Amino acid sequence: KAGVTQTPRYLIKTRGQQVTLSCSPISGHRSVSWYQQTPGQGLQFLFEYFSETQRNKGNFPGRFSGRQFSNSRSEMNVSTLELGDSALYLCASSPLTDGYTFGSGTRLTVV
Amino acid sequence: AQSVTQLDSQVPVFEEAPVELRCNYSSSVSVYLFWYVQYPNQGLQLLLKYLSGSTLVKGINGFEAEFNKSQTSFHLRKPSVHISDTAEYFCAVTPLRGGADGLTFGKGTHLIIQP
Repeated sequence: KAGVTQTPRYLIKTRGQQVTLSCSPISGHRSVSWYQQTPGQGLQFLFEYFSETQRNKGNFPGRFSGRQFSNSRSEMNVSTLELGDSALYLCASSPLTDGYTFGSGTRLTVV
Repeated sequence: AQSVTQLDSQVPVFEEAPVELRCNYSSSVSVYLFWYVQYPNQGLQLLLKYLSGSTLVKGINGFEAEFNKSQTSFHLRKPSVHISDTAEYFCAVTPLRGGADGLTFGKGTHLIIQP
């Protein structure tokens, strides 16, 4: 059974640009959630999607957005990148009746 | 809202000694509890989870945790650690109400195994 796949693994962007990260959940999992991990703030919840609907959002500015497709794959987008957006972005999938399985993450560096 | 406190940011332990990583949580609703491990430059791997039933939960790699509702704690233990256990450990909770809230994490505990 394939795990959660996040692409790309590493990304370098310039301030002001936008970026799109992708997450393919475990087959059959309809819930996908996103997290930002930084040394200063630790792991913070960004948002969760279920059946193409955003059901909850963490305390992040509107520059952070996401979507989920009918096959449960999800993307998150960050517009107008700032240096502080440099982080490891983790995606997790869940069948809702059990725990969350994480991908290996996308390491975003903003220069 | 939920919050998770991991009382130690760093725990040094000698190899083959026992270890306990402490986790306390606060929540106005019942929660599921999890411990995850993160090795350098990797994602999070689930060690164990408490969803219901027995309060003593056994996980992978010889780890176990005990849920204590009255003390709102979920401490992680291992009777004998190995050098390969060196990693960052995160305690997390999510409300019982069936998803959508994501996980709330503690700040993490860096377990350092000394030979």
